Amino acid sequence: GNSVTQMEGPVTLSEEAFLTINCTYTATGYPSLFWYVQYPGEGLQLLLKATKADDKGSNKGFEATYRKETTSFHLEKGSVQVSDSAVYFCALSVLTSNTGKLIFGQGTTLQVKP
Amino acid sequence: GAVVSQHPSRVICKSGTSVKIECRSLDFQATTMFWYRQFPKKSLMLMATSNEGSKATYEQGVEKDKFLINHASLTLSTLTVTSAHPEDSSFYICSARRGDGANVLTFGAGSRLTVL
Repeated sequence: GNSVTQMEGPVTLSEEAFLTINCTYTATGYPSLFWYVQYPGEGLQLLLKATKADDKGSNKGFEATYRKETTSFHLEKGSVQVSDSAVYFCALSVLTSNTGKLIFGQGTTLQVKP
Repeated sequence: GAVVSQHPSRVICKSGTSVKIECRSLDFQATTMFWYRQFPKKSLMLMATSNEGSKATYEQGVEKDKFLINHASLTLSTLTVTSAHPEDSSFYICSARRGDGANVLTFGAGSRLTVL
């Protein structure tokens, strides 16, 4: 079956630290991979995505590379800010005609302290 | 930008009552809406996909008579939890896909249901 596994949180970092949130997946076929972010009191927002192997998604200083050989899509940011504190969800979709059918990881809470 | 509003954001009800949660696309027409459920420290689980004017498609293991979904217009889908019990307490999230071919999803902020 299809599944997504994220590292458990919470992840607590100081401002300007380097961030990595691990995400690995299991999928039949060729999935598209996503990172969503949920700020307190708000809905999920698409942060970045990659649709094929070796693609790199990037947005707001965050990056993730679709690694087919390791079935991973780790999220990284070189220097986090307090405003990055949120819950981050890794997700996959294997149906290109229905990207709404997303399979999510359990979410990783990031806390950035000044 | 596209906005999806969910209402109520929090609801507390007694066991045995029914609760309706609304999901509205405020500035676009949503041909497809999705309902997810999230347990504490667990991933979001897709419950069903609803298309305007047709019956919802439920994921395996989701009771369609328990979780009634109605997508009566291009801007509104509702989820009714019927005869709610404490085990139905959860965070319910909807998302909407625009009908303009852009294939972009917008999520609501979620609704927290607590059944006493």
